[in-house]
Amino acid sequence: AQTVTQSQPEMSVQEAETVTLSCTYDTSESDYYLFWYKQPPSRQMILVIRQEAYKQQNATENRFSVNFQKAAKSFSLKISDSQLGDAAMYFCAYRKKGAQKLVFGQGTRLTINP
Amino acid sequence: EAGVVQSPRYKIIEKKQPVAFWCNPISGHNTLYWYRQNLGQGPELLIRYENEEAVDDSQLPKDRFSAERLKGVDSTLKIQPAELGDSAVYLCASSLRGNQPQHFGDGTRLSIL
Repeated sequence: AQTVTQSQPEMSVQEAETVTLSCTYDTSESDYYLFWYKQPPSRQMILVIRQEAYKQQNATENRFSVNFQKAAKSFSLKISDSQLGDAAMYFCAYRKKGAQKLVFGQGTRLTINP
Repeated sequence: EAGVVQSPRYKIIEKKQPVAFWCNPISGHNTLYWYRQNLGQGPELLIRYENEEAVDDSQLPKDRFSAERLKGVDSTLKIQPAELGDSAVYLCASSLRGNQPQHFGDGTRLSIL
C-alpha cells in the first residue's frame, strides 16, 4: 500500500523568507502524481501544486516550487517570499496514475511570523 | 464557477443520535468523494461516486455509515448511530472525471458529546 509521510508537524518562518516542507512517500508504482494541498482555517483543501512522476522537471507555481527526487521518493515544497496568507496546514498527497484515490500525509502546520 | 458546497458547517450531537451531511458538487462534475479528516491527520477516503454509482466504498464503515447520490448530483452522507470516535471533519470533493484534479468543499465539523 502506498504511504505518505510528513515528518514536520510544525514549521515557522519569518515573513518574506523561504521555507521548505518535507514529504516522503512509498510506492512500487513507476507512474503517479504528487500534490501539495493547503488547508487554511476555513478547512477547504486548496491545490497548490502538482507533479507528474514521469516529468523530471520540477513543477513551479509562482512562489511555490517542488524538489522532486524520484529515486529517493522525496517531494518537498519550497515557498519563497513567505506571506502571512501562506499560514495554513499543508498536506502532501499521492495518487497512482489511473486511480482516483488520493493518499494524504499527516500534514505540516506552517506559521508565518510578521 | 461555484465551488463544492457542503452543509452544515458545524454539527454537535449526542452519541447514538443520527446525523446527515449534504454535498453539492461543482456543476458538471461526475465524480464525487467523501473524506473523513480526524484531528491532526490528513483526509481519508470514505466513498467515491461515478455519477450515481458508488465505485469505491471499501473504507466506509457500513454498519453505521451510508451514502447516496441520487440523480448523480447532490450527495448525502449519514451516520446512524453516531459514536464518540466519529468526531471529525467530513470533506466532500468533486472532479470532472476520476483522474482530474479534485476540488474540495469547506467540510462539516462533527462533534459528538
